[in-house]
Amino acid sequence: GAVVSQHPSWVICKSGTSVKIECRSLDFQATTMFWYRQFPKQSLMLMATSNEGSKATYEQGVEKDKFLINHASLTLSTLTVTSAHPEDSSFYICSARDWGGTSGGAPNEQFFGPGTRLTVL
Amino acid sequence: KQEVTQIPAALSVPEGENLVLNCSFTDSAIYNLQWFRQDPGKGLTSLLLIQSSQREQTSGRLNASLDKSSGRSTLYIAASQPGDSATYLCAVNQAGTALIFGKGTTLSVSS
Repeated sequence: GAVVSQHPSWVICKSGTSVKIECRSLDFQATTMFWYRQFPKQSLMLMATSNEGSKATYEQGVEKDKFLINHASLTLSTLTVTSAHPEDSSFYICSARDWGGTSGGAPNEQFFGPGTRLTVL
Repeated sequence: KQEVTQIPAALSVPEGENLVLNCSFTDSAIYNLQWFRQDPGKGLTSLLLIQSSQREQTSGRLNASLDKSSGRSTLYIAASQPGDSATYLCAVNQAGTALIFGKGTTLSVSS
């Protein structure tokens, strides 16, 4: 099956610093990737939709200047949390959509990365 | 706006029981529906994906059904085991959008 990786798997940083999280589709091309955030004991909430070669679309309430998303290639999207604060501590998960079914999965199936645990001190 | 609801929020059963998790969605115009498992502090494991044209999918002890017209899906787990303890998430896929998740059902299977 298709594999999506995330790096790092966990990160601890000081308040005010920026953190970059990478999401890669390893064996298929993903024109669209999604970034989700999950707070403890809650479900996944969509933050933004990332389309290769264009600006990301952010969900209502998500600050685009704080959560910078870049999708420069068909296999890589990055999320940068700028000037992180303790309230940004969360579990961030990306997914990649396989539009053409080239991964061997179902057409339009989404594959999820393992997540990145961000802790801001 | 699509909304996904999962009932119950939590479920505790003894080992060996068969159980059903429920998922409902408000907009029947979906492309597919997926069931995921999430262990504490971990990412998602895809269990089953049902295309909108399908009625059910089976994998081992798991069976998922889909009734698109009524906006419902069920996940049936046969002969539950302690290792099945996790949170189960239902998510719908509408073409062109991200998955929309329910809040999950946290399952605890005691030995």
